[in-house]
Amino acid sequence: AQSVSQHNHHVILSEAASLELGCNYSYGGTVNLFWYVQYPGQHLQLLLKYFSGDPLVKGIKGFEAEFIKSKFSFNLRKPSVQWSDTAEYFCAVNEDGGSQGNLIFGKGTKLSVKP
Amino acid sequence: DAGVIQSPRHEVTEMGQEVTLRCKPISGHDYLFWYRQTMMRGLELLIYFNNNVPIDDSGMPEDRFSAKMPNASFSTLKIQPSEPRDSAVYFCASSEAFRLNTEAFFGQGTRLTVV
Repeated sequence: AQSVSQHNHHVILSEAASLELGCNYSYGGTVNLFWYVQYPGQHLQLLLKYFSGDPLVKGIKGFEAEFIKSKFSFNLRKPSVQWSDTAEYFCAVNEDGGSQGNLIFGKGTKLSVKP
Repeated sequence: DAGVIQSPRHEVTEMGQEVTLRCKPISGHDYLFWYRQTMMRGLELLIYFNNNVPIDDSGMPEDRFSAKMPNASFSTLKIQPSEPRDSAVYFCASSEAFRLNTEAFFGQGTRLTVV
């Protein structure tokens, strides 16, 4: 069965620090990969997604993620975080060709950015 | 479009009572999904519909849970009877049929507390 692992439960950074959140998945076939963000009290919003092509994907708000097939990883990065990035971040996968809403999510990583 | 609309935003009910959560997907979307978010298990897909037809309900935890989609603009998730362990945030999401430039959109969620 597919599964998604996010290694860090809670990450605390100061403003301007660089961010990298780990995500690994297990699935034998071709997958689509996603990062969602959930700001406090709000719904999930898509940050970025990878289907094929360039493994370095750029998303909204300065986020990017790199798909490394050999490592089954899709880590999220941002060179300089802001206080407004405080949120919970979810990595998700679905099968290639499946509806983009049929997702398996990781447990999430809470990011707290200190001003 | 106002996005995916869920009601109520908050629901507090007593154990044993029936609870009905409602969702209005984005107009024109073919797929509708119900997710549950808890601290212990994270985000889990409960059931999804394609063109109002339930496709996969393997995530529905028990027979106490049921979901319907009587038309393209409305879906309900019902819990009868409710139990304290059903306390969670329930999200509805909708998406178009798979295309590279589409994504799933989530509602604001319903926070259910069963006492």
